[in-house]
Amino acid sequence: EIVLAQSPATLSLSPGERATLSCRASQSISDYLTWYQQKPGQPPRLLIFDASKRATGIPARFSGSGYGTDFTLTISSLEPEDFAVYYCQQRDDWPRTFGQGTRLEVK
Amino acid sequence: QVHLQESGPRLVKPSETLSLTCTVSGGSFGTYYWSWIRQTAGKGLEWIGRSYVSGSARYNPSLKSRVTMSLDTSKKQFSLSLRSATSADTAVYYCAREYSPAAGSFEFWGQGILVTVSS
Repeated sequence: EIVLAQSPATLSLSPGERATLSCRASQSISDYLTWYQQKPGQPPRLLIFDASKRATGIPARFSGSGYGTDFTLTISSLEPEDFAVYYCQQRDDWPRTFGQGTRLEVK
Repeated sequence: QVHLQESGPRLVKPSETLSLTCTVSGGSFGTYYWSWIRQTAGKGLEWIGRSYVSGSARYNPSLKSRVTMSLDTSKKQFSLSLRSATSADTAVYYCAREYSPAAGSFEFWGQGILVTVSS
């Protein structure tokens, strides 16, 4: 199965700063990479699909990039509500797999 | 607005069958893929499988021998059965609807149900 490695495990930043989260796939997945945000006690929320396309209602400060094996989620200027755990997930192959997550915390 | 709600026993004994139902309200039922995903602190998010109204289903190979999924379109429900449960199956279980423009991504999720496998 395709393994997704996310880095860093934890990212400590302040509101207003730029966040860069990484996801690396164990083999090429074209652009079939999805990003989710999860807050405590809530299910994951779809942010970005197909590496760079924002889902409905997602603010423009969230952007995604990458192709093949290396992907990035960027939050241009952190808002207080952005501090959460972020997961990547691939839909290129079976079984669908998720990364272990990056925790974005307030510095 | 689409709403998904998981239901079922929250405590299951080892070796018994873990059975959950997801009830869908709002939106179409017959034109989407429906999945089960679970989450543990140790293994993170794990996709269990997906089902469709045609009867087709696809399961994670790691669970395939123990999993069955089915749909009831008249009730707008889909279900999960996981046989021979062990403590390793203790998790928060989510049902989810796949995202139409990107099948295999998950747009709508239930709130999740914590199922504990313990005697």
